[in-house]
Amino acid sequence: EVQLVESGGGLVQPGGSLRLSCAASGFNFSMYWMTWVRQAPGKGLDWVANIVQDGSQKHYVDSVRGRFTISRDNAKNSLWLQMDSLRAEDTAVYYCVRHSGWAFDIWGQGTMVTVSS
Amino acid sequence: QSALTQPPSASGSLGQSVTISCTGTSSDVGTYKYVSWYQQHPGKAPKLIIYEVSKRPSGVPDRISGSKSGNTASLTVSGLQAEDEADYYCNAYTGSNNEMFGGGTKLTVL
Repeated sequence: EVQLVESGGGLVQPGGSLRLSCAASGFNFSMYWMTWVRQAPGKGLDWVANIVQDGSQKHYVDSVRGRFTISRDNAKNSLWLQMDSLRAEDTAVYYCVRHSGWAFDIWGQGTMVTVSS
Repeated sequence: QSALTQPPSASGSLGQSVTISCTGTSSDVGTYKYVSWYQQHPGKAPKLIIYEVSKRPSGVPDRISGSKSGNTASLTVSGLQAEDEADYYCNAYTGSNNEMFGGGTKLTVL
């Protein structure tokens, strides 16, 4: 079964850091771009960052560039999102998503990140 | 960079058809064939239902269809069923390896 499982969410104070993880299974992880998408409570979907198959290229939405870092390890079938200098507006459910031909075809169940003092 | 424009809500009766629009610009929807649509039920992760403007993934019924004209993409759900009640989001490639979502449309089945 093709599956993405996120972990690492939680409550963090403004200015703090958090590292999200995503474990992939059931497909050849190294063949796909991967993406993080977030959804603030009661709001729509926002693309956050993506990374190419070998990790050599990474792209970020302007609001997180310089604060978030996306990375992957194909040998471990794993994707990460290091989030630093967190702000209240980063509060959201974060989804790990497989990217196939400029569409997001497989989604994880999401992990909640709450930034609050 | 503004989000793609979707109507906040749409509705239709059981068995009827409803169309949801997604308006971008000549730099995204108007230029590329990479428009996709997602269905999200409350408390669940989104699900891909249309990719590359009009293609359906395996398992998505053919009563769900997509199209594009100029800078506007559209999703049509025909033969509305109760389980179609959900939020729907469009997404488009905007160039430079970036992409953007629409604000979402809440579909109510009457």
